[in-house]
Amino acid sequence: AQSVAQPEDQVNVAEGNPLTVKCTYSVSGNPYLFWYVQYPNRGLQFLLKYITGDNLVKGSYGFEAEFNKSQTSFHLKKPSALVSDSALYFCAVRDMNNNNDMRFGAGTRLTVKP
Amino acid sequence: DTGVSQDPRHKITKRGQNVTFRCDPISEHNRLYWYRQTLGQGPEFLTYFQNEAQLEKSRLLSDRFSAERPKGSFSTLEIQRTEQGDSAMYLCASSWQGAGYEQYFGPGTRLTVT
Repeated sequence: AQSVAQPEDQVNVAEGNPLTVKCTYSVSGNPYLFWYVQYPNRGLQFLLKYITGDNLVKGSYGFEAEFNKSQTSFHLKKPSALVSDSALYFCAVRDMNNNNDMRFGAGTRLTVKP
Repeated sequence: DTGVSQDPRHKITKRGQNVTFRCDPISEHNRLYWYRQTLGQGPEFLTYFQNEAQLEKSRLLSDRFSAERPKGSFSTLEIQRTEQGDSAMYLCASSWQGAGYEQYFGPGTRLTVT
């Protein structure tokens, strides 16, 4: 079965600095990978996904993520963090051969300080 | 607003009572998912529908839980004889059919069992 690990419970960065939120995954087949963000009292919002093709995918709000098959990673990045980026971020994976079950990581709380 | 909606947003109930939650998906989506999220964790898959057919249930979904999606539109999730361990955020999501499609989440229903 597929699984996701987000090794950092919390990431703190200063506004204007680059940010990285880490994600590693495990699947038996080819992965479909997703990043979601959750603001307080709100549902999860889709940020970006990797299905196939270019390993660098760009998403909403200036976020991007790089798929690295050899390291089984899909880290979320942004060149310049904003205070408004402070939220809970979830990585999720789906096995291409099992399109029913999406597994989420435990989440990483990003805090961007002014 | 044409996003996923859930009702109620909050529910407080006494142990042993039955509760029912409703989810209205994005109208064009034929897949509807239910997840449970507890504090500090990512969403955990409960069940999903393709149109009106319930195609998969997680082992997390005990016999006290039942979900329906009559006519393939809105869905209900019922919990019978609630227990304190059922206290969680219940999330609904919808998507087009296919593993590569992202899911769109509703705001969730927060259940507190006293």
